[in-house]
Amino acid sequence: AQKITQTQPGMFVQEKEAVTLDCTYDTSDPSYGLFWYKQPSSGEMIFLIYQGSYDQQNATEGRYSLNFQKARKSANLVISASQLGDSAMYFCAMREGFANDYKLSFGAGTTVTVRA
Amino acid sequence: EAQVTQNPRYLITVTGKKLTVTCSQNMNHEYMSWYRQDPGLGLRQIYYSMNVEVTDKGDVPEGYKVSRKEKRNFPLILESPSPNQTSLYFCASSGAYGYTFGSGTRLTVV
Repeated sequence: AQKITQTQPGMFVQEKEAVTLDCTYDTSDPSYGLFWYKQPSSGEMIFLIYQGSYDQQNATEGRYSLNFQKARKSANLVISASQLGDSAMYFCAMREGFANDYKLSFGAGTTVTVRA
Repeated sequence: EAQVTQNPRYLITVTGKKLTVTCSQNMNHEYMSWYRQDPGLGLRQIYYSMNVEVTDKGDVPEGYKVSRKEKRNFPLILESPSPNQTSLYFCASSGAYGYTFGSGTRLTVV
């Protein structure tokens, strides 16, 4: 079964508007972590934000926030005030357990295009 | 600077010609892994290593080999590449502060 599902292959957003990228996950492990990565056209993987399963507050990092709904098993990324440089592929990923040696399971990704 | 270094960045090769993609990290991480990225599939783990001389298969290991003779290095070996191994490859190491990815290797097998 797919552990991470990203249902939006591509999205367009107007500059300065907010955009929400959907991510749902599947795990029976009570201890897990959720990550979002950005991949610009140059190809590198850039870490954006992390949410642990026991974290009480939704994670935020600058213009990025994670809308964590544990009961619904969703971890949507919100990018506020979009900029042209936000055009990229975005991946949601999950690790099960909190050890340092862990596998990341990735979704298929969502391509975001920011329009001027 | 903490980093994972992968080489080469781009590689075009012919079917059946053995190749090695190198990966080195300077963070003294024990856990390292290789992923491949394909459109519509995201990143999938090929092999991982828990420490020196300890390696194991990930989700898509067929056609690949790895070795871990030193803690810092984790090369990916394709002994007889085929066109279905055309992909974007990432090496990564993980520690207390999460994953660090290499810059990626775009491999084309013709």
